[in-house]
Amino acid sequence: DSGVTQTPKHLITATGQRVTLRCSPRSGDLSVYWYQQSLDQGLQFLIQYYNGEERAKGNILERFSAQQFPDLHSELNLSSLELGDSALYFCASSVATREGPSSYNEQFFGPGTRLTVL
Amino acid sequence: QQQVKQSPQSLIVQKGGISIINCAYENTAFDYFPWYQQFPGKGPALLIAIRPDVSEKKEGRFTISFNKSAKQFSLHIMDSQPGDSATYFCAAKKDRGSTLGRLYFGRGTQLTVWP
Repeated sequence: DSGVTQTPKHLITATGQRVTLRCSPRSGDLSVYWYQQSLDQGLQFLIQYYNGEERAKGNILERFSAQQFPDLHSELNLSSLELGDSALYFCASSVATREGPSSYNEQFFGPGTRLTVL
Repeated sequence: QQQVKQSPQSLIVQKGGISIINCAYENTAFDYFPWYQQFPGKGPALLIAIRPDVSEKKEGRFTISFNKSAKQFSLHIMDSQPGDSATYFCAAKKDRGSTLGRLYFGRGTQLTVWP
C-alpha cells in the first residue's frame, strides 16, 4: 500500500458526460501528479500540482482540468467524454517536499481509477 | 515522441533464470532513472532507482546497470520467480532537486516467469 488513495476504483459513463476523479496524497506530500495509462499511449503524464498550484502540464486535453485543494487532495475533472478517454487514471504523490540536490522526489502511485466510456 | 524506449515488449523466463529489460533515452537532462513494477489491477510501484553518477545499483535480486555514455540503462532480475511476473516500466526524470517531477515512462515489458 503506497499510502495514496484514489476514488472511485471504477467508473462507467456515457459519451458526452463529465466525471470527477479524486486523489488523496501520502501524508505530508505536497506534490500530486496525474497520469493516464492506455494500451496505445502507455503511461502519460497529464499534470502536476504543488501545494495547491499548477506546476507542470503534460499531454492533458483542454476538456480535462485538475485542481489541488488546501487539504492537498486533488481532483481531475474530465468533461465531454469520448470513447478514447477510456483508460486507467493514476495519481501519484512525491515523498520529498524539499528542494535541493539531494532530493529526488520519488513518486508513489495510487491504485488508479478505471474509466470506461460507453 | 517517446523519450524513453524500452525493450523487449514481453519476456518469458524460466524460474531461476535472469530477466533483463533494457531502456534507452536521448535527453541528457535526465538525472534520475526509476523502475516501476505493476501487477494487474494495481498502480505502478517503485522498485529501484539509480542516479547517473553511479554505474550500478543492487537491491536484493534486482540490479540496475547504467551506461551514461550510451544513454542506456537496464534492469536485471536474478533468480527470477513466478511472483516476479508483472509489467515493468523504466522511467526517467529531470530537474533533480526541484519540485518539478514529471516522469517519462517506457512502454513497459510484460514479464512472465514459468515455474
